[in-house]
Amino acid sequence: DGGITQSPKYLFRKEGQNVTLSCEQNLNHDAMYWYRQDPGQGLRLIYYSQIVNDFQKGDIAEGYSVSREKKESFPLTVTSAQKNPTAFYLCASIPSGERGQPQHFGDGTRLSIL
Amino acid sequence: AQKVTQAQTEISVVEKEDVTLDCVYETRDTTYYLFWYKQPPSGELVFLIRRNSFDEQNEISGRYSWNFQKSTSSFNFTITASQVVDSAVYFCALNSYGQNFVFGPGTRLSVLP
Repeated sequence: DGGITQSPKYLFRKEGQNVTLSCEQNLNHDAMYWYRQDPGQGLRLIYYSQIVNDFQKGDIAEGYSVSREKKESFPLTVTSAQKNPTAFYLCASIPSGERGQPQHFGDGTRLSIL
Repeated sequence: AQKVTQAQTEISVVEKEDVTLDCVYETRDTTYYLFWYKQPPSGELVFLIRRNSFDEQNEISGRYSWNFQKSTSSFNFTITASQVVDSAVYFCALNSYGQNFVFGPGTRLSVLP
């Protein structure tokens, strides 16, 4: 079945450490997104990519970095510059060029500070 | 700027009650799309429905129904005869061509047995 796979499900970060969250999709979607969700809040856009080798900052990109070397993969690195990384991270994808399509989401990664 | 407001932070109902989740949106675009997603405790967002700005017909799917009113910029979601399995956080979202999705803050629905 096609879908989006996020790993790991739970991740712990030590102070000063960079960690990378994986997002893989086999839906053949062009566009991919990373969101951050804090308790009681909606989704905030971190980064997005409309095409391979290209990505743009979202509303809260500081302290995060991404790459898009393959269509299927859009990993997110939470750097040590992100002082408050504890949150639930969701990856999504959507086919480009088709208006009004819903985003498909992965199961999320819950990141905590040790 | 685009914005989605879900004024109800949390709602609790007893099983079999009907419940309506409110969604109010703001956009200057004439063509846009509205969505509802369900986030169960497991965390993933599940797509429920999409509506485009030119289709104001209400929609019913089983116990779920949606009321889209452009005059009041609202896209409300009603669950009839609620069940415990309906307990989740529900998000309303807005998308226009060339724009990123904008999500509301979500409404946490608790259905008590």
